Amino acid sequence: AQSVTQLDSQVPVFEEAPVELRCNYSSSVSVYLFWYVQYPNQGLQLLLKYLSGSTLVKGINGFEAEFNKSQTSFHLRKPSVHISDTAEYFCAVSARKTSYDKVIFGPGTSLSVIP
Amino acid sequence: DTAVSQTPKYLVTQMGNDKSIKCEQNLGHDTMYWYKQDSKKFLKIMFSYNNKELIINETVPNRFSPKSPDKAHLNLHINSLELGDSAVYFCASTTGLGLYGYTFGSGTRLTVV
Repeated sequence: AQSVTQLDSQVPVFEEAPVELRCNYSSSVSVYLFWYVQYPNQGLQLLLKYLSGSTLVKGINGFEAEFNKSQTSFHLRKPSVHISDTAEYFCAVSARKTSYDKVIFGPGTSLSVIP
Repeated sequence: DTAVSQTPKYLVTQMGNDKSIKCEQNLGHDTMYWYKQDSKKFLKIMFSYNNKELIINETVPNRFSPKSPDKAHLNLHINSLELGDSAVYFCASTTGLGLYGYTFGSGTRLTVV
């Protein structure tokens, strides 16, 4: 079974500052990794995903994440945040299989951008 | 032109009642899910259907019964509602073994009083 840990439940950051949201996963098999964002009173939206290949993946809204297999991490970064980035961010994992599998979500990190 | 739409958006009901939530997707996806998000924002999978066939059934009370009349629709019926059922329920859909990620609906906030 897979599991996801997001070490920081809340991250306050000043506008235009860089931010890193941490994600670690546990799995006995190869995995696919995802980051989703949830704005207040909305559903989740896919930010980016790692399936294979380059360990640095770029997503929407200027976000990027780096897959590190040895550290079982998939941290999310943005070089300069905006007020509009205030939201809940979820890291997610699913097993690399030839059939549909469930996606397991981490507990989320609340990013607050301070003007 | 909503991709994944859920109805109703809000649902307030008394304990013991039976209620349904409906979900429809117009993306041509073949797999749909129900997730429950609790007050601490934790997301837990409940069910998944692939082309109308149940493929994931997590440890959920049997008061919850999903139904998929076709691959574009997934409904959730809840019997004998309890206070602990209060949460936001999200429908999601995907295709291609989920490699493209999920598309989520905007959620149904269920409040049991």
